[in-house]
Amino acid sequence: KQEVTQIPAALSVPEGENLVLNCSFTDSAIYNLQWFRQDPGKGLTSLLLIQSSQREQTSGRLNASLDKSSGRSTLYIAASQPGDSATYLCAVLIQGAQKLVFGQGTRLTINP
Amino acid sequence: GAVVSQHPSWVICKSGTSVKIECRSLDFQATTMFWYRQFPKQSLMLMATSNEGSKATYEQGVEKDKFLINHASLTLSTLTVTSAHPEDSSFYICSAPSLRGVADTQYFGPGTRLTVL
Repeated sequence: KQEVTQIPAALSVPEGENLVLNCSFTDSAIYNLQWFRQDPGKGLTSLLLIQSSQREQTSGRLNASLDKSSGRSTLYIAASQPGDSATYLCAVLIQGAQKLVFGQGTRLTINP
Repeated sequence: GAVVSQHPSWVICKSGTSVKIECRSLDFQATTMFWYRQFPKQSLMLMATSNEGSKATYEQGVEKDKFLINHASLTLSTLTVTSAHPEDSSFYICSAPSLRGVADTQYFGPGTRLTVL
């Protein structure tokens, strides 16, 4: 059974810092891995999608890496801003079953 | 980008009543949609996969007679919580895969907050 774990559960940093969020998964048989952002009481916004054959994806200040063999992904946020405050979820798409399994999320707070 | 809407955004009902939640893909067709639930400070858990023109596929532990899913058209899936109880109070979110298929990104609705008194 695929399990996805995110560390840390919560993170609070001052504005301007670079930070790394971690995601690990137990089964490497995945199609892809996605990072999402969720604001309180809202749905999910897709940030980055990394196919299983890829090593990283970049969008603006965000960079996500994937090491499928070790079951790890990181989301790097550069020059953090208060508007980045949200919960960040990673999810893997399971091969065969074609369904997303989510981690518990990291609640990020950027302090002005 | 593609947009998925949900209605209502929140609902409060009495215990024992049924509640219907709609999920619509606004500018694209979706033969498959997914229903998730999220308890406070927890992650999303897949409940079921909704398939247009056929029966939904439920995840283990999800009661199909309690959570009725109807994929009425290529742009609409509904989730009906029958005989709702306080433990069904949760945040329900639907999603639909992009036109490139399930292996591509999924578009999520804004969610429906259900509170059962």
